[in-house]
Amino acid sequence: TQLLEQSPQFLSIQEGENLTVYCNSSSVFSSLQWYRQEPGEGPVLLVTVVTGGEVKKLKRLTFQFGDARKDSSLHITAAQPGDTGLYLCAGAVSGGSNYKLTFGKGTLLTVNP
Amino acid sequence: DAMVIQNPRYQVTQFGKPVTLSCSQTLNHNVMYWYQQKSSQAPKLLFHYYDKDFNNEADTPDNFQSRRPNTSFCFLDIRSPGLGDAAMYLCATSSRVGGQPQHFGDGTRLSIL
Repeated sequence: TQLLEQSPQFLSIQEGENLTVYCNSSSVFSSLQWYRQEPGEGPVLLVTVVTGGEVKKLKRLTFQFGDARKDSSLHITAAQPGDTGLYLCAGAVSGGSNYKLTFGKGTLLTVNP
Repeated sequence: DAMVIQNPRYQVTQFGKPVTLSCSQTLNHNVMYWYQQKSSQAPKLLFHYYDKDFNNEADTPDNFQSRRPNTSFCFLDIRSPGLGDAAMYLCATSSRVGGQPQHFGDGTRLSIL
């Protein structure tokens, strides 16, 4: 059983389109992170959310943490080819080890020019 | 300004020949992690160190070992690599404060001949 369900697994869109990636769980998370990973490199942290209902913006990227801290979404406005990469959500389960992250399976995004 | 440095970036070894991957960090973080990542999948935690305390994941094969001689360095030893061990190996660090994000190196791509 996957603790963090991430969807969609693959997404191929045209430049300028909007998209949303979802991360869902039946578990409560004390914090949740989103990472982007480009081919041949390690994941790079985009954002950390810790408060239920929290919304954070990073240029064209908007991150939301669900009120119950069980789910999160990443919305990209006007996607660009530079947004191409593997997007990973990862969280620390509330009441579990704060030092271990549970990862979603990732969303492989391709933005075509 | 790389903060988590992995060497080498690419490693080729023969089936059954021991190999060691290295990781160093300049963040002075207490926790260091080793992940295995196969193509476009989420990283899979192998083990982590909290200071000198070693924490092995239950499903990590005995073939994988780790050493952390000091705060800055951590090594991954694969005693007898099999074809299924070909993957990207990622090192990450985090501070002792729970729920903090992990900082990843750029990984070592391991190939088995």
